[in-house]
Amino acid sequence: GENVEQHPSTLSVQEGDSAVIKCTYSDSASNYFPWYKQELGKRPQLIIDIRSNVGEKKDQRIAVTLNKTAKHFSLHITETQPEDSAVYFCAAVEEESWGKLQFGAGTQVVVTP
Amino acid sequence: SQTIHQWPATLVQPVGSPLSLECTVEGTSNPNLYWYRQAAGRGLQLLFYSVGIGQISSEVPQNLSASRPQDRQFILSSKKLLLSDSGFYLCAWSLTGPLHFGNGTRLTVT
Repeated sequence: GENVEQHPSTLSVQEGDSAVIKCTYSDSASNYFPWYKQELGKRPQLIIDIRSNVGEKKDQRIAVTLNKTAKHFSLHITETQPEDSAVYFCAAVEEESWGKLQFGAGTQVVVTP
Repeated sequence: SQTIHQWPATLVQPVGSPLSLECTVEGTSNPNLYWYRQAAGRGLQLLFYSVGIGQISSEVPQNLSASRPQDRQFILSSKKLLLSDSGFYLCAWSLTGPLHFGNGTRLTVT
């Protein structure tokens, strides 16, 4: 089955700096890679996703890159703000199995003013 | 638009007591439904999923069970809770697209 590793487990950044979270996956059949943001005590919410036919996707201050050959994908947050503080989860799945996501362990991001 | 309701929001139950968590989805038909669990400070683990009424697949062996009595209703149950069942339980739905979570139930087994 799929195994997703996520690094780092915690990340502290100064407001305005960039944050990068990296994930690797094991199953070459995986072709859908979502990222979720979870604020304390709340549900995870989808912030961006990428499919394997695309190498990069951007939405305002967040972007995701995918290297299918190396089986890794990354989340980039630019110009970080205090409201970006949360736990971020990457996930991977074969698109036919949409909801059966294999999640990474999560990254606690703390943005300090 | 689609919405997902999950209740209760918090629950404290003694060891050995039964459990019933309910989830309903509005605004869509024949969704795929999922139960995930998140232990404190940990990632999300898929427990059960359902592609239709009465169709349940278990991903992790445990003392929990799931049922789908109606198209848009998904129930997580246990006959006797264990301490290790404590966690944040999230119901989710999808069609041919991303997974969307409910607000979750925080279960504490004492």
